[in-house]
Amino acid sequence: NAGVTQTPKFQVLKTGQSMTLQCAQDMNHNSMYWYRQDPGMGLRLIYYSASEGTTDKGEVPNGYNVSRLNKREFSLRLESAAPSQTSVYFCASRKSGLADFYEQYFGPGTRLTVT
Amino acid sequence: QKEVEQDPGPLSVPEGAIVSLNCTYSNSAFQYFMWYRQYSRKGPELLMYTYSSGNKEDGRFTAQVDKSSKYISLFIRDSQPSDSATYLCAMSAGGSGTSYGKLTFGQGTILTVHP
Repeated sequence: NAGVTQTPKFQVLKTGQSMTLQCAQDMNHNSMYWYRQDPGMGLRLIYYSASEGTTDKGEVPNGYNVSRLNKREFSLRLESAAPSQTSVYFCASRKSGLADFYEQYFGPGTRLTVT
Repeated sequence: QKEVEQDPGPLSVPEGAIVSLNCTYSNSAFQYFMWYRQYSRKGPELLMYTYSSGNKEDGRFTAQVDKSSKYISLFIRDSQPSDSATYLCAMSAGGSGTSYGKLTFGQGTILTVHP
């Protein structure tokens, strides 16, 4: 049981390049989330998917797109990377149902630098 | 103004000290309060969860919520070097529909416990 996995672990992009961050979970969770973490800013929600087939914007969605490929996978795409998108990106998932909704399971993160 | 404010520290204490970590918030709809712990270069993990006002104890950790003051705390007794991590508070109003389970995080406090 790997939990939440993210690829790649590290990436360096030039301004204007595009890339997709991959996330997968093997816990049969319905809800999945993408966050970015910057010094002094905490975790900020970029996009989330309450269930397969749905996606919604979070606090900081500009410059990103997402795809909920199936129940296991939720990808984050940067179409034209900017230096302001330099950050650590975390994917998370959550159990279904009303109980334990507060516990999100996080992946190890992707460290992205845009030059 | 951020919905959740947390002093980023850093906080450095000797082993055995009592540590107090705090968050304030402005959204009176928040009912669910969590503390996540994040070790260096890892994703956050849920440490404690509290619903509404009151105290909750788990071993050396105590979480307190004062909704009237919009203030939450995490106390760590007999702190250990293994407690060195970033501590993030998180809150939720519960929500409904696709927004159910969304968390708002504080900035995180970096704690170092030195031997």
